[in-house]
Amino acid sequence: DGGITQSPKYLFRKEGQNVTLSCEQNLNHDAMYWYRQDPGQGLRLIYYSQIVNDFQKGDIAEGYSVSREKKESFPLTVTSAQKNPTAFYLCASTPRPGETQYFGPGTRLLVL
Amino acid sequence: GDSVTQMEGPVTLSEEAFLTINCTYTATGYPSLFWYVQYPGEGLQLLLKATKADDKGSNKGFEATYRKETTSFHLEKGSVQVSDSAVYFCALSVMDTGRRALTFGSGTRLQVQP
Repeated sequence: DGGITQSPKYLFRKEGQNVTLSCEQNLNHDAMYWYRQDPGQGLRLIYYSQIVNDFQKGDIAEGYSVSREKKESFPLTVTSAQKNPTAFYLCASTPRPGETQYFGPGTRLLVL
Repeated sequence: GDSVTQMEGPVTLSEEAFLTINCTYTATGYPSLFWYVQYPGEGLQLLLKATKADDKGSNKGFEATYRKETTSFHLEKGSVQVSDSAVYFCALSVMDTGRRALTFGSGTRLQVQP
């Protein structure tokens, strides 16, 4: 079955630690996105990538980093510079930018 | 910039009641409009979409019509079920901007009681 997978489902971060969230898709989509969702709020764009080896900052990129070495994969690293990382992180992909986005099941990041 | 405004929730209805969730938008270009639904602890699923003025998107008994003159895309369902309880997000995407990501409203929680 085609789809988007995110792992892990829950992730715990200690102070000063970098953690990486995985996002993989087998839909052959060119564009991929990372969003952050806080309780009772909409989604905010962190980073996006329209093709392999290229990515752009979204609205809240500070404290995050990404890579796009393969079409299928778009991992997100939450660095120690992100002072308030507790949130639900959603990855999405689309065949062409601006068209329907398909979402993964999300990763909930908690701080110990 | 682009923005989406949704009615605040929670919206609490009895089963078989009529549902309307209001959504209005501002956009720098000509947007496509979407409704997504999120069930507890899950990602977002596309519910319906419309890409041009006067288009009606529909799915699973839900409908929304793209109204350019009022910049609105209100979600409606004639008879809600308990299983419709979820958070609903209105979103837009403008094709002629560089990043072409979705801009989301803050979401409206729907609670349907038996």
